[in-house]
Amino acid sequence: EVQLVESGGGLVQPGGSLRLSCAASGFIFSNYALYWVRQAPGKGLQYVSAISSNGDSTYYANSVKGRFTISRDNSKNTLYLQMGSLRAEDMAVYYCATAASDVWGKGTTVTVSS
Amino acid sequence: DIVMTQTPLSSPVTLGQPASISCRSSQSLVHSDGNTYLSWLQQRPGQPPRLLIYKVSNRFSGVPDRFSGSGAGTDFTLKISGVEAEDVGVYYCMQVTQYPQVTFGGGTKVEIK
Repeated sequence: EVQLVESGGGLVQPGGSLRLSCAASGFIFSNYALYWVRQAPGKGLQYVSAISSNGDSTYYANSVKGRFTISRDNSKNTLYLQMGSLRAEDMAVYYCATAASDVWGKGTTVTVSS
Repeated sequence: DIVMTQTPLSSPVTLGQPASISCRSSQSLVHSDGNTYLSWLQQRPGQPPRLLIYKVSNRFSGVPDRFSGSGAGTDFTLKISGVEAEDVGVYYCMQVTQYPQVTFGGGTKVEIK
């Protein structure tokens, strides 16, 4: 079965850090560019970051540039999002997805609160 | 960034009746390769998004044929020919033409009247 499974979400204080993971199975992970997309409570979808299939190229929304780092380990079929200097406005469900949007994970929830 | 504007915000529909959602982009979505990378996603309550339509009018695998997409340039439409109970949720248009800086519409909530 083709799937993406996110993990690593949780409660973090403002200014803190968190690393999200997205484990892939059922497809050739190294062939696909991937995204992180987030959804704040009761809000719509927002692009966060993207990475090319080999990891050489990375891209960020302006709102997270300089604070978040996307990476991948194709030997482990896993995508990562290192998040730092977290703010209240980063609180959301974070989804990983293929660049073609044909596979989405179920999401992991990040709560930023003191 | 390309801004995607969806209307209406909410669409109450009687079961079996059609529904239509519009999406307008702030600039043309025609890519230099000639394709138009406009997708539609469905998000049922409590679920992650799911791809319905890609490149304006292509139904993704397993998507019922009551869903159809059309449009060109900056104006696009998603139609549901006869709404079923399982179609309740929020629908998003998404442009991938300006990859990797993809953008989403604000969403349209389809609910049963």
